[in-house]
Amino acid sequence: ELKVEQNPLFLSMQEGKNYTIYCNYSTTSDRLYWYRQDPGKSLESLFVLLSNGAVKQEGRLMASLDTKARLSTLHITAAVHDLSATYFCAVDMNSNYQLIWGAGTKLIIKP
Amino acid sequence: KAGVTQTPRYLIKTRGQQVTLSCSPISGHRSVSWYQQTPGQGLQFLFEYFSETQRNKGNFPGRFSGRQFSNSRSEMNVSTLELGDSALYLCASSEQGLGEQYFGPGTRLTVT
Repeated sequence: ELKVEQNPLFLSMQEGKNYTIYCNYSTTSDRLYWYRQDPGKSLESLFVLLSNGAVKQEGRLMASLDTKARLSTLHITAAVHDLSATYFCAVDMNSNYQLIWGAGTKLIIKP
Repeated sequence: KAGVTQTPRYLIKTRGQQVTLSCSPISGHRSVSWYQQTPGQGLQFLFEYFSETQRNKGNFPGRFSGRQFSNSRSEMNVSTLELGDSALYLCASSEQGLGEQYFGPGTRLTVT
């Protein structure tokens, strides 16, 4: 059974600091997605990582994928309050048209 | 392109009633997936439809059902509502069911 584990599940940090969210998955997959969800809102796609070694960056967020380690990271640089949200990773199960989701990391950035 | 739309956005129902939620995917997308999101269980997959066929189903009771029409619009139905069905129901569309999914705003269902 494919499992996707995110850690930490909760992160409170100060503005200006750097931090990393980790997403581990339990079986072979080379496609991973990061989404953001604001409170009471829907999910917004952030990054699509489609191969080993893929790295994507958007503003203060950078995501990477290591398929051999079955690990993706979402790195936050010099955090700002607007990045406060819950971040989900999801892994593509090619064979059954279903994304397997992590539990989400709730990120609170204090001014 | 217009995004994924869901109606209604908010719904209050009583235990035992049934409810139908609607989802219109992005134009050209033929796959629609449904999810239930609750604080306790997180994001849980309900089912996926492609070209009017259900290709995959999550671990939910038979009270949860869905369908997809020839224009790719999808509906999900929950019968005999229970308090535990209170949740945010999200619909997502994609071109083929593989890859990046685009989410609608969700329907907030409250069962009293």
